Amino acid sequence: QLHLQESGPGLVKPSETLSLTCTVSGGSISGSSYYWGWIRQPPGKGLEWIGSIYYSGRTYYNPSLKSRVTISVDTSKNQFSLKLRSVTAADMAVYYCASAMPAFDIWGQGTMVTVSS
Amino acid sequence: EIVLTQSPGTLSLSPGERATLSCRASQSVSSSYLAWYQQKPGQAPRLLIYGASSRATGFPDRFTGSGSGTDFTLTISRLEPEDFAVYYCQQYGYSPPYTFGQGTKLEIK
Repeated sequence: QLHLQESGPGLVKPSETLSLTCTVSGGSISGSSYYWGWIRQPPGKGLEWIGSIYYSGRTYYNPSLKSRVTISVDTSKNQFSLKLRSVTAADMAVYYCASAMPAFDIWGQGTMVTVSS
Repeated sequence: EIVLTQSPGTLSLSPGERATLSCRASQSVSSSYLAWYQQKPGQAPRLLIYGASSRATGFPDRFTGSGSGTDFTLTISRLEPEDFAVYYCQQYGYSPPYTFGQGTKLEIK
């Protein structure tokens, strides 16, 4: 059974880069799922798909975030990562990583990221 | 981009009653790529239905997904106390973005 765990700073300054990592255990990131994704949820609001990366390395991003987002995979560490540049208060949210087969069937517990100076 | 509109925003029902949640898409969604998620406070969402009508592991048969094209429905036949939560639909079709609906909060009346 796959297990996903997000990690990274819980506090990011405005205009800086948010960097999160999702560590996959219980299976190989190279072949366990159809693709991997990041989803976020601002406090009290709904879910927003940020982007996904296929095991091949191909990426797809939400058009509303595309200019600021990079998702990458590190197969040697069984991890995939999210970088969101030039953050503002609007980027404050719980960030989830998930695996997709192809619906998001396994989710990490989520990590809250606050944007504040 | 496919926009998913869920209704109602909030549904107030009593245990034992039947719940019907709607998810309408701005353009046709392949039934193979429509999912429903259940989210309880402080928890990550949990996959409930995939492929419009297939139940995910761990959910009882009182949960039923149906629909095609632009109209999809999640039905809970007899509500149990643990079913009160927020439900989201999502399309994960042939091309991104893989959008979510805004959610329906199912609350105890």
